[in-house]
Amino acid sequence: AQSVSQHNHHVILSEAASLELGCNYSYGGTVNLFWYVQYPGQHLQLLLKYFSGDPLVKGIKGFEAEFIKSKFSFNLRKPSVQWSDTAEYFCAVSRTYNTDKLIFGTGTRLQVFP
Amino acid sequence: DTEVTQTPKHLVMGMTNKKSLKCEQHMGHRAMYWYKQKAKKPPELMFVYSYEKLSINESVPSRFSPECPNSSLLNLHLHALQPEDSALYLCASSQIGNQPQHFGDGTRLSIL
Repeated sequence: AQSVSQHNHHVILSEAASLELGCNYSYGGTVNLFWYVQYPGQHLQLLLKYFSGDPLVKGIKGFEAEFIKSKFSFNLRKPSVQWSDTAEYFCAVSRTYNTDKLIFGTGTRLQVFP
Repeated sequence: DTEVTQTPKHLVMGMTNKKSLKCEQHMGHRAMYWYKQKAKKPPELMFVYSYEKLSINESVPSRFSPECPNSSLLNLHLHALQPEDSALYLCASSQIGNQPQHFGDGTRLSIL
């Protein structure tokens, strides 16, 4: 069965610090990978996605993620965080050509202080 | 603002009540989803509709009954719920195939 692990449960940073959130998945076949963000009181929004091609994916708001197949990882990065990045971040995975069944990681709560 | 609209935003109901959650999208998406999200937990898939047909039911208790009357609407009928069913219920939609899902704001449900 597929599973997704996010080892950082709670991350606290100051503004302008660099961010890296870990995501590892468990699945033997080819996968689609996603990062979603949930700002306080708001809906889940897609930050970026990987289906195929260049393993370095750029998303909205300056976020990027790198798919490393050998490590089953899809870590999220941002060179300089802002207070407005305070949110819950979810990594998610689905099987290639079957995005119906989306499996979410447990989430990482990011707090950015001015 | 999200393009997936869920109503109501909040719902409080007793264990003997019958109520319905509604979801609407006008993006032409032919796949629609219900998720349950408990506090500080990730969303968990409940149901998937593809082309208005139920394609996935993740062993959800029968007190939850989904309905997809047309390609834009998705309902979740609730009956005889338990206190542990209190959660945020999220609706999502997507194109069929290799496409990301778009989420609504959710309905926060409390069972007394």
